Amino acid sequence: GQQLNQSPQSMFIQEGEDVSMNCTSSSIFNTWLWYKQDPGEGPVLLIALYKAGELTSNGRLTAQFGITRKDSFLNISASIPSDVGIYFCAGISGGSNYKLTFGKGTLLTVNP
Amino acid sequence: GAGVSQSPSNKVTEKGKDVELRCDPISGHTALYWYRQSLGQGLEFLIYFQGNSAPDKSGLPSDRFSAERTGGSVSTLTIQRTQQEDSAVYLCASSLAPSSGNTIYFGEGSWLTVV
Repeated sequence: GQQLNQSPQSMFIQEGEDVSMNCTSSSIFNTWLWYKQDPGEGPVLLIALYKAGELTSNGRLTAQFGITRKDSFLNISASIPSDVGIYFCAGISGGSNYKLTFGKGTLLTVNP
Repeated sequence: GAGVSQSPSNKVTEKGKDVELRCDPISGHTALYWYRQSLGQGLEFLIYFQGNSAPDKSGLPSDRFSAERTGGSVSTLTIQRTQQEDSAVYLCASSLAPSSGNTIYFGEGSWLTVV
């Protein structure tokens, strides 16, 4: 089946630092999504990307849909303690307009 | 309710027992999804319901897993003869229609532990 390779698995950073994480796949996806999950909660959508090359910002978050449609990255600028959590990438391929394939997540820890 | 509601939030069961997990989607949402999240893993698609259409069951890992959605609203995921590898968080989500992802809302999950 389709797989998304997400890296890094975990990150420990100081408050104020910028963060970057990415996902790659051997398959093409038509939509890329980035979610954040807090402990005991379900994933919450951060950014959705629908076009190859698209660069979208949401506050301190910026994400890009790779030109090849096989990768995406998420940047967080000027991190704050509440950025702590697990970040997941997810993709939707052309075979289905509803089935999300998820990466394994990046655990982010921010030291104040 | 305001969001997707799942129950129980935590369930500990003995190996071999059956369990039922319930999902109450957001009112008016026609699409309902079940995902499984194992420790340290991403979310794994299980099953998808859309209106009165036949569900997409392609993600169910074995015939011990089944799900139904009554009246186009509440859904129940049933796991028969539970095994230890079934221990995971089971997440339900709903959306207004077959979605491109931007309107899928997740519940808080049901944490299942099989001992």
